[in-house]
Amino acid sequence: RKEVEQDPGPFNVPEGATVAFNCTYSNSASQSFFWYRQDCRKEPKLLMSVYSSGNEDGRFTAQLNRASQYISLLIRDSKLSDSATYLCVERLFSGGYNKLIFGAGTRLAVHP
Amino acid sequence: SQTIHQWPATLVQPVGSPLSLECTVEGTSNPNLYWYRQAAGRGLQLLFYSVGIGQISSEVPQNLSASRPQDRQFILSSKKLLLSDSGFYLCAWSPGGGADQYFGPGTRLTVT
Repeated sequence: RKEVEQDPGPFNVPEGATVAFNCTYSNSASQSFFWYRQDCRKEPKLLMSVYSSGNEDGRFTAQLNRASQYISLLIRDSKLSDSATYLCVERLFSGGYNKLIFGAGTRLAVHP
Repeated sequence: SQTIHQWPATLVQPVGSPLSLECTVEGTSNPNLYWYRQAAGRGLQLLFYSVGIGQISSEVPQNLSASRPQDRQFILSSKKLLLSDSGFYLCAWSPGGGADQYFGPGTRLTVT
C-alpha cells in the first residue's frame, strides 16, 4: 500500500465550479501535511500547510482528519489558472530530519 | 530572499555515460538539501538528503550518488547511466530543522 494515496483524476471542471480532492495516508506518526501545486513540466510549489483545525487561504481550504487519516483540499470558484496537478504531502521526522512523502498527485483541468 | 538553481535544464545522455547534475542555493546558510526523482506520472521519490557539508544520506539503493562539497552546493552523479535513470530530477532545500521544502526548476534527463 502506498504511504500517500490520491485519486489521479483528471478532474475536469468548468470555471467557477467548486472541486474537492482527498488524500489518505497510512502512517499515524505523521507530523504535518501540505498541499503542493505542480504545473506541467515544472517544479512543485508549496500551496499551503494543513492544520488539524482546518485552514483557509482565499479560495482554498484544507482539512485534516487524523482519526480517518485523510486530508482534503477544496477549491472554490475555480479559475483557468488553477489547472495543475495537486500533490498531497505528509511530513515525518525520521533519522534526524524532516522527511516529506509525496502522493502521485491529482490532476485538475479547469475549462471555460 | 532565497533562490535555488539547477543545471542543466534538460539533458539527453546515452546508456553507460556518466552524469553530473548541480544544484546551488543562494540567500541562506546551512540549509538541508535534497535530491528527488519524479518518473513520468508518478510521485516524487527522495533519493538523497544532506544536513551539512560532506553529510549525505541515501534513501534508496541505486545507480546514483550525491556529494555536498560546499554548504550551498549539492551534486548528483552517476558513473554509468541506465535507461531507468530517466526522469525529472529535482533539488530542494529547507531551513535547517524547517519542514517547508522549496524546489529548484529541475533537470529533465532522458537516457537513450
